[in-house]
Amino acid sequence: SQQGEEDPQALSIQEGENATMNCSYKTSINNLQWYRQNSGRGLVHLILIRSNEREKHSGRLRVTLDTSKKSSSLLITASRAADTASYFCATVGGSNYKLTFGKGTLLTVNP
Amino acid sequence: DAGVIQSPRHEVTEMGQEVTLRCKPISGHDYLFWYRQTMMRGLELLIYFNNNVPIDDSGMPEDRFSAKMPNASFSTLKIQPSEPRDSAVYFCASNDSGTGNSPLHFGNGTRLTVT
Repeated sequence: SQQGEEDPQALSIQEGENATMNCSYKTSINNLQWYRQNSGRGLVHLILIRSNEREKHSGRLRVTLDTSKKSSSLLITASRAADTASYFCATVGGSNYKLTFGKGTLLTVNP
Repeated sequence: DAGVIQSPRHEVTEMGQEVTLRCKPISGHDYLFWYRQTMMRGLELLIYFNNNVPIDDSGMPEDRFSAKMPNASFSTLKIQPSEPRDSAVYFCASNDSGTGNSPLHFGNGTRLTVT
């Protein structure tokens, strides 16, 4: 079963705008990761946030984690057409090493 | 490093035929994962290996699916016999410490179509 659920399923914005995607999960986690997938390609890791962290930045990316609400958000600032892709959250929990993915948010950035 | 390499990129086969998908992980990575991606079910973990040993195959859908890792640089996923519902994109991924604290590196996948 899927652990993370992204919201919205699809998002369309104009270049230069910010894009926010949300992820909710059900059980306790060790860390949460965000990945990007361009059409026809494999997933690419963007950022990892541990359960004891609340916020993390990487370039134009900002990830927050609220373990009390079992949710995370990914913010892409000043979006570019090249940011068009599907974005997935993935969680690792408990003593296993399974990385469980949500179904993703399809982001379209219009030039 | 060339990254995770999968072959073939596309495979079209008829129902009942045997299909073999191949993966070369990143050198030095001791964990290897096979995922399947479909529109309906998203990304599903099928099986993963640590140091060439299968650790968890609970995601393998049925006995028609089998995976091997004969050495640290090669793994196969075999479907025999294939069925139309096996049509999906199959990804191989690797990392160097399990998924606990390090990211997965994915190949570009094999798109399988079973007619």
